[in-house]
Amino acid sequence: GDSVTQMEGPVTLSEEAFLTINCTYTATGYPSLFWYVQYPGEGLQLLLKATKADDKGSNKGFEATYRKETTSFHLEKGSVQVSDSAVYFCALGGYSTLTFGKGTMLLVSP
Amino acid sequence: EPEVTQTPSHQVTQMGQEVILRCVPISNHLYFYWYRQILGQKVEFLVSFYNNEISEKSEIFDDQFSVERPDGSNFTLKIRSTKLEDSAMYFCASSEVRTPARYSPLHFGNGTRLTVT
Repeated sequence: GDSVTQMEGPVTLSEEAFLTINCTYTATGYPSLFWYVQYPGEGLQLLLKATKADDKGSNKGFEATYRKETTSFHLEKGSVQVSDSAVYFCALGGYSTLTFGKGTMLLVSP
Repeated sequence: EPEVTQTPSHQVTQMGQEVILRCVPISNHLYFYWYRQILGQKVEFLVSFYNNEISEKSEIFDDQFSVERPDGSNFTLKIRSTKLEDSAMYFCASSEVRTPARYSPLHFGNGTRLTVT
């Protein structure tokens, strides 16, 4: 079945550092890929998505590229801010449901 | 921006008791979902609901669980006889279309933390 694997957290960075959170997936067919973010006390919010191979999703300075050859969708940001501290979930979209990874907590210190 | 609202934010119940988790999806959405996240584990799909019936459910969604849209706005998840392992964060979500992966993302509520003692 479909599955998503994310790097374990927490990821601890200083402000303005470069961020990478790794995500790989296993799926049948041609899924879409997503990153969701959960800020403290809030629900899951869509951060970005890519619907086919080589697509790049981007939002709020975050980027991820759908790599079919490596079955990956790594999240990157060039310069993180304290306000980016949250839990980040990689997810795979099939026909009607989402399959999530475990989530990676990001802690950014000033 | 319209949002999905869930109540209560935290529910504590004793093992064996029935609980009802409530959700108000976004008003023009037609597809509704429940997901849950046990602490430290993945967010897992429970059930999807469309046109007043379950369209898909996971192995987790056994006879102890039921969903209902009792009126035009609420969407509820009932657990008939709670077990300790039902302790989790439960997320409601809604979508405009059935293939949220490609056309419209799922919009999630803030979740209800259920603690079974």
